[in-house]
Amino acid sequence: EPEVTQTPSHQVTQMGQEVILRCVPISNHLYFYWYRQILGQKVEFLVSFYNNEISEKSEIFDDQFSVERPDGSNFTLKIRSTKLEDSAMYFCASSEGQVAPGEQFFGPGTRLTVL
Amino acid sequence: AQSVTQPDIHITVSEGASLELRCNYSYGATPYLFWYVQSPGQGLQLLLKYFSGDTLVQGIKGFEAEFKRSQSSFNLRKPSVHWSDAAEYFCAVGARDSNYQLIWGAGTKLIIKP
Repeated sequence: EPEVTQTPSHQVTQMGQEVILRCVPISNHLYFYWYRQILGQKVEFLVSFYNNEISEKSEIFDDQFSVERPDGSNFTLKIRSTKLEDSAMYFCASSEGQVAPGEQFFGPGTRLTVL
Repeated sequence: AQSVTQPDIHITVSEGASLELRCNYSYGATPYLFWYVQSPGQGLQLLLKYFSGDTLVQGIKGFEAEFKRSQSSFNLRKPSVHWSDAAEYFCAVGARDSNYQLIWGAGTKLIIKP
């Protein structure tokens, strides 16, 4: 069964460093999403991406965040200068399309720890 | 603005007992409604979803949920829980006019007593 994969599973970084979180969505999916979950808190939407551009983003997704689909398979989230409060589990999701409402399939997450 | 409320932070039930987890949403039109489960250290797995049609939806692992428009609710139920159901359960709302971004409830942690 196809699944969304994410790497790394755990990333530890120093405050101020750049990190790139990687996701491989399901191959025939067209819509891609990033969510985050700070420990003990609810899951929060960050950004959605379609046709090589951002289609929606939340207030959390400020200038330090960016997303990219550098090739036909990867979907990345970059945090330019990490802050302590960026420590969270980051989930990637993909869905087939918007013509019919689509289920979002989630990856296992990347736990980001900023020291 | 859309919002999702899961009023119970924790629920403890005995193995074999029935379960109902509450979810209320706030949205102007009929939203798309989801229940996800997250086991410790794991990702988010879809249990079931409601888009339209029959308001009682069946999901995986013996779960079902009922959409009640008049109460803006989408409660999750299971007639008999198993120890393996211990996990955190999240209700989420998606809407076409926001590109289906999911708005999440705070989650309900289910604890199973032997």
